[in-house]
Formats: sequence, C-alpha cells, structure tokens
Amino acid sequence: QQQVKQSPQSLIVQKGGISIINCAYENTAFDYFPWYQQFPGKGPALLIAIRPDVSEKKEGRFTISFNKSAKQFSLHIMDSQPGDSATYFCAARRRDYKLSFGAGTTVTVRA
Amino acid sequence: DVKVTQSSRYLVKRTGEKVFLECVQDMDHENMFWYRQDPGLGLRLIYFSYDVKMKEKGDIPEGYSVSREKKERFSLILESASTNQTSMYLCASSLGAGRRGEQFFGPGTRLTVL
Repeated sequence: QQQVKQSPQSLIVQKGGISIINCAYENTAFDYFPWYQQFPGKGPALLIAIRPDVSEKKEGRFTISFNKSAKQFSLHIMDSQPGDSATYFCAARRRDYKLSFGAGTTVTVRA
Repeated sequence: DVKVTQSSRYLVKRTGEKVFLECVQDMDHENMFWYRQDPGLGLRLIYFSYDVKMKEKGDIPEGYSVSREKKERFSLILESASTNQTSMYLCASSLGAGRRGEQFFGPGTRLTVL
C-alpha cells in the first residue's frame, strides 16, 4: 500500500495563481521529505526538500510547509507559470535511505 | 552534470521473452535503483544496489532480478516478461549511506509487453 498519500491527482491553475499539493504519511521513522518534478519524456528531478525539524522551506516560488504533529506536508507553487506544468511527486525517505513516493500530481498552468 | 543513461527509450517485447534493461551513471555513485512508474501509483522501488555485486529487494521485486558487475552499471532483468510488466522503468543513482542522498534519475524506458 502507498506509504505516502498525495492529493490531488491533477490540478489546473491560471498563470499567476497558486498551486497547492498535499501529502500525508503514517511512518514516523521517515527522516527527509523531498519533492520531485517530472516533465514529459524526462525522469524526475529533485525540486526542493525538507527535514522534519523544520516547519517551512522556501526556494524561489516553491515552498514546502511541514506539519510534524499532523504528519502532513505540502508544496506551494506561487505565481505559477506555464513552465511549471509538470508532474510533481512527494516522497519520504526511510531509515534505510530508500524513498517512498506519492502517486503524483499533474499540474497544468493555463496562460 | 550528473548523467544517468538508460539503454532504450522504448521497447516492445513478447510475453515470455527475457528482457534486459541497462542503466549507466557517470558520477561514481554507490547506490543505484530501479523503479517502475505507473499512473496513479507513483514510483515503486523494484531493486536497490548499494555496492558492486550487492543488491536488496525493494517493494515489488517479484518477476524481476538485477545485476551489478561494475559500479557504474545496473541491469534490470525480466526473466519471462508478462503483460502486467508493461510500464515505464526508471533507473536512479545516489551517493552512499550517510549522505543526503539526492537521487538522480535517467529518462526512463517505456516497456510494452504484448
């Protein structure tokens, strides 16, 4: 079963809007939470990541919010651009260094 | 730039055939991974290797085997391909245990089993 639950499956946002993707997990042994971005025809690439002792991390227009007590984390894409159209995967790293991935969210930014 | 290359972008095989998927990385990474990617299921780990000739089963190893004879090369083998193995296969590599462990992915091989 999926160890990391991701929603929504897809979303459409207007250029300049905010995209929000949510993830939830059960395993408290996860120690690192990366987000990967995948464009069509390409492999996923690391976008941004957070450790569980931090509540928020921002890199440019991308922000991760992390709620340890609720075991939830989310990706916010501010001022969404057509070039942000991609599939986004949240992930959680296990103590054996393997990653458990969410099911993915396809983001479409309309110009 | 880290580069992970996979031998084929598209592959079509018949049920029962033996299939080899090859992956090569050029960054001297210790860890290498094989995933399959299916819509609505995300990426699921098939096998993991943390050193030459070392391997560990991932979450869905059934029907697959792997080989790592050289540090830079990690092969996924489907001993007898079946239609339910039609999928996108992604290879990744990362630095060894104790590091932050960003995984670098290849472009993927889309395998169709008829």
